[in-house]
Amino acid sequence: AQKVTQAQTEISVVEKEDVTLDCVYETRDTTYYLFWYKQPPSGELVFLIRRNSFDEQNEISGRYSWNFQKSTSSFNFTITASQVVDSAVYFCALSESHYGGSQGNLIFGKGTKLSVKP
Amino acid sequence: DAGVIQSPRHEVTEMGQEVTLRCKPISGHDYLFWYRQTMMRGLELLIYFNNNVPIDDSGMPEDRFSAKMPNASFSTLKIQPSEPRDSAVYFCASSLWWEEGKDYGYTFGSGTRLTVV
Repeated sequence: AQKVTQAQTEISVVEKEDVTLDCVYETRDTTYYLFWYKQPPSGELVFLIRRNSFDEQNEISGRYSWNFQKSTSSFNFTITASQVVDSAVYFCALSESHYGGSQGNLIFGKGTKLSVKP
Repeated sequence: DAGVIQSPRHEVTEMGQEVTLRCKPISGHDYLFWYRQTMMRGLELLIYFNNNVPIDDSGMPEDRFSAKMPNASFSTLKIQPSEPRDSAVYFCASSLWWEEGKDYGYTFGSGTRLTVV
């Protein structure tokens, strides 16, 4: 069965600190997709990144970076030089490939609430 | 692109009443998902459609919940009769079956906050 675990329920940092959000997943499929979403206090879910299981390259986008390691089934998210606007709940999610490549359901972790204080 | 549009944004209703939530997916997207978010259970899938056909409704809590997608541009989630435990934020999301090399994601609407009193 698929499962996503975000062990950190809440993290509090001071502005400009680096912070890493952990994500561990379980799946039996060899083809799957991993995602990160941000949910700010306003409540919407904002797509940040998608990674497929065949691409273990680390990704960097501005202050955001992602580390995907199949050996440990982890897909961690790091924010460098955090800012107050980064305060939000961050969700890691997993989707398996179905029907020869079509999409499946998104399985979400419970989320990590990040608070960045000035 | 207007994104995924959900209505209403907020709904307060009395126990026993019928509630209908609406969703307009992104034009051209062929998948539509309904999720529910609560503090206790987090984000959980209720049902999803592919090309207007329900694929997996195993997450629908009980017979009081029903979902339809009469065409590619509209879906409804109905609760009849509503109960206080249905209070949650309901999200609709749409997506396009992606191709390798294209960075599609699932796009979520702003959600409907339902309160059943």
